[in-house]
Amino acid sequence: KAGVTQTPRYLIKTRGQQVTLSCSPISGHRSVSWYQQTPGQGLQFLFEYFSETQRNKGNFPGRFSGRQFSNSRSEMNVSTLELGDSALYLCASSAGQLGVTEAFFGQGTRLTVV
Amino acid sequence: AQTVTQSQPEMSVQEAETVTLSCTYDTSESDYYLFWYKQPPSRQMILVIRQEAYKQQNATENRFSVNFQKAAKSFSLKISDSQLGDAAMYFCAYRSAGGSEKLVFGKGTKLTVNP
Repeated sequence: KAGVTQTPRYLIKTRGQQVTLSCSPISGHRSVSWYQQTPGQGLQFLFEYFSETQRNKGNFPGRFSGRQFSNSRSEMNVSTLELGDSALYLCASSAGQLGVTEAFFGQGTRLTVV
Repeated sequence: AQTVTQSQPEMSVQEAETVTLSCTYDTSESDYYLFWYKQPPSRQMILVIRQEAYKQQNATENRFSVNFQKAAKSFSLKISDSQLGDAAMYFCAYRSAGGSEKLVFGKGTKLTVNP
């Protein structure tokens, strides 16, 4: 069974630009969550999508947005990039059903803003 | 809001020895799940072990076991017979039982295994 795939693996952008990151969950999984990982703040929850609906949202500015498609693939977008947006962005996939469903993580996208 | 605290930024252990990583959490909920994740230098987060709050029995997975103290809100990870491949960042995480998959992570503990 294929794992969680995040593309691209690395990205360099300039301040003020926008970026779109992609996450393909494990087949059959309906929940996709996004996290930002930085050395200073650690792992912070961005948002979660379940069956194309945003189910939960973290405390990030409106420049961070996401969506989920009917095939459960998800994208997150960051507009007007700032230097502080440089981070590892991780996507997690899970079945999304009640109970202890394991979250499987992708290898992440390393975003550098210059 | 729930918080997770890992008070040990770094730990080291000799190969074949035992090490315990600490984690405390704060919540007003009675039903939740706790996890330990491992993140090696390759960056991919891997689930090590999980614990349902309603279960009194401590979870074990081969060389990994937890000490779950619900009243004290403590969830430590014990690694027995440490191996070089155990070297990684370890994150303690909390998840509500209410349906969302949102994980709240601690800051992590960097574990070094010395040969």
